[in-house]
Amino acid sequence: RKEVEQDPGPFNVPEGATVAFNCTYSNSASQSFFWYRQDCRKEPKLLMSVYSSGNEDGRFTAQLNRASQYISLLIRDSKLSDSATYLCVVNLDNYGQNFVFGPGTRLSVLP
Amino acid sequence: DADVTQTPRNRITKTGKRIMLECSQTKGHDRMYWYRQDPGLGLRLIYYSFDVKDINKGEISDGYSVSRQAQAKFSLSLESAIPNQTALYFCATSDPGLAGVNEQFFGPGTRLTVL
Repeated sequence: RKEVEQDPGPFNVPEGATVAFNCTYSNSASQSFFWYRQDCRKEPKLLMSVYSSGNEDGRFTAQLNRASQYISLLIRDSKLSDSATYLCVVNLDNYGQNFVFGPGTRLSVLP
Repeated sequence: DADVTQTPRNRITKTGKRIMLECSQTKGHDRMYWYRQDPGLGLRLIYYSFDVKDINKGEISDGYSVSRQAQAKFSLSLESAIPNQTALYFCATSDPGLAGVNEQFFGPGTRLTVL
C-alpha cells in the first residue's frame, strides 16, 4: 500500500461547481498535513496546511480525520484558475525530513 | 527574482554521462531537498540537508550524490546517467518556522532526459 493515496482523477467540473478531493495516509504517526497545488510543468506551491480542527481559506476548506487517516480538500465556486493538480502531502514528523507526497489529483474547471 | 533557482532548466544527455544539477536559494533557509517527479507518482525524496556539510539519504538515493557547499547552494549529481533517471527534478527549501507548518518552497524544476 502506498503511503499517501489520492483520488486518481481527473476531475472535470464546470465553473461554479463544488468539488472535493480525498487523500488517505498509511502511517498513523504522521504529524502534519498539507495541500499543495501544482500547475502544469511548474513547481508545487503550498495551498494550505491542514489542522486537526479543520480550516478554511476563502473558497477552500481542508479537513483531517486522524482516526480514519483521511484528509480532504473542498473547493467551492470553482474558477477556471483553479485548474491544476492538487497534491496531498504528509509529514511524518515535525523535523522536516519526512515529507511524503501523494501522486496528485488533476482538476480541470471548464467554462 | 525567484527565491529558489535551478540550473539548467532543461538538459538532454546520454547514458553514462556525469550530470550536475544546481540549486541556489536566497531565502536563508538551512534545510534543502532534492526530489524527482515521474508521471503518476508523487514527488520522491532523493537527498536532503539540514545544514552545510549535513547530508542525508532519502527514499531513492541510489545513483545520485549531493554536495552542500554553502547554506545557499545544494547540488545534485548523477555519476553515470541512465535512462530511468529521466524525470523532472525539484529542489526545495524549508524553515521550521511555526510548529507544525514547515512549508517547503520549490525551485522551478529541471527537466532531465537521458537517452
